Amino acid sequence: DARVTQTPRHKVTEMGQEVTMRCQPILGHNTVFWYRQTMMQGLELLAYFRNRAPLDDSGMPKDRFSAEMPDATLATLKIQPSEPRDSAVYFCASALGGARTEAFFGQGTRLTVV
Amino acid sequence: DQQVKQNSPSLSVQEGRISILNCDYTNSMFDYFLWYKKYPAEGPTFLISISSIKDKNEDGRFTVFLNKSAKHLSLHIVPSQPGDSAVYFCAASGNSGYALNFGKGTSLLVTP
Repeated sequence: DARVTQTPRHKVTEMGQEVTMRCQPILGHNTVFWYRQTMMQGLELLAYFRNRAPLDDSGMPKDRFSAEMPDATLATLKIQPSEPRDSAVYFCASALGGARTEAFFGQGTRLTVV
Repeated sequence: DQQVKQNSPSLSVQEGRISILNCDYTNSMFDYFLWYKKYPAEGPTFLISISSIKDKNEDGRFTVFLNKSAKHLSLHIVPSQPGDSAVYFCAASGNSGYALNFGKGTSLLVTP
């Protein structure tokens, strides 16, 4: 059953702590996205990779967020230091092929920063 | 700046009737449009898509219509069922990039 797997599903952390979210894309998919869902902004694109190379991370606050793909089966999103305004649901999605294909989403990581 | 807009945050429809969800976009470079459905505590799931070379695409109870001149698309669900109650996201992409640009979503409630 091919699906995008995200861990952890829930994370509560104190302000100032480092948070790492992990994503395993669907095997064979070469495009990986990170989105953040908030009530105000809906689904915002944070970053995306193609063939493990970052193509666009303009949606991320660069001073505290970083996204990497150490290998084809793992994508990570780190926040250091975390702030209460980072509280949101973070989704990873993967896609096969080019621009006109659908992306498959994981179940998300619900992050609460207190 | 939101390039994909869903101006109705919520919609309530009776079971058996038609649900019409609307979406507008501003970027004329967008040429591929998708609808996603999202249940609480789950990730969005792909529902239906349409390329700009078409003006209609149908899949069972779901039909998407595209009006390029108006930069508008709509999703029709006929007949609506209680299980269709979810948040629906409109998304768009263009050949200049791979990423999907999403609207803020419309919460659909189908009442028995």
